[in-house]
Amino acid sequence: QKEVEQDPGPLSVPEGAIVSLNCTYSNSAFQYFMWYRQYSRKGPELLMYTYSSGNKEDGRFTAQVDKSSKYISLFIRDSQPSDSATYLCAMKNAGGTSYGKLTFGQGTILTVHP
Amino acid sequence: DSGVTQTPKHLITATGQRVTLRCSPRSGDLSVYWYQQSLDQGLQFLIQYYNGEERAKGNILERFSAQQFPDLHSELNLSSLELGDSALYFCASSPQVPVQGAVYEQYFGPGTRLTVT
Repeated sequence: QKEVEQDPGPLSVPEGAIVSLNCTYSNSAFQYFMWYRQYSRKGPELLMYTYSSGNKEDGRFTAQVDKSSKYISLFIRDSQPSDSATYLCAMKNAGGTSYGKLTFGQGTILTVHP
Repeated sequence: DSGVTQTPKHLITATGQRVTLRCSPRSGDLSVYWYQQSLDQGLQFLIQYYNGEERAKGNILERFSAQQFPDLHSELNLSSLELGDSALYFCASSPQVPVQGAVYEQYFGPGTRLTVT
């Protein structure tokens, strides 16, 4: 079983829809939770990160972490065709020697059609 | 453009061969990370270097090795290549000193697409 599970989709929604992307994880040591966006033929870029449980909002994007359920979500409001990309969740331990190691989900392919 | 450069963009080689992938981090970034992205395994952490020293290791195969040079560029060496090594290889960099419990944005390069035939 993978440490981080993410439904690969693909997910197709109309412009303006609210999109919900989710990941579950099994490693209780994860404390930092990130969402990356990857456009076709590009490297991933960081969208948001949160520490421990709670919500964080940035414009049309909201990240939620529920550590008790080991479940994280990314919501995109008023989705735009430019949001079409692969969204990857990533997680990191708080301590130990794995200073920089990020563990990624499989990625969800999102298409927003006009 | 993240400021991280990777060469070459594409590489096609045969099984059993050895290749070297090169990464130049963003100006001033001291940490370099290597990741492998394949369809079946997703994006997987391979190894991290900070200012020339290895700092963290993931599921990197023994056939793979990396190093970071004094000018901070890094190379990933892949040897005895197998068909299953075909993947996108990303390099990322981050600026700060790696500290336990901290997270710093990792800036990813455009990747090198390796095809082993």
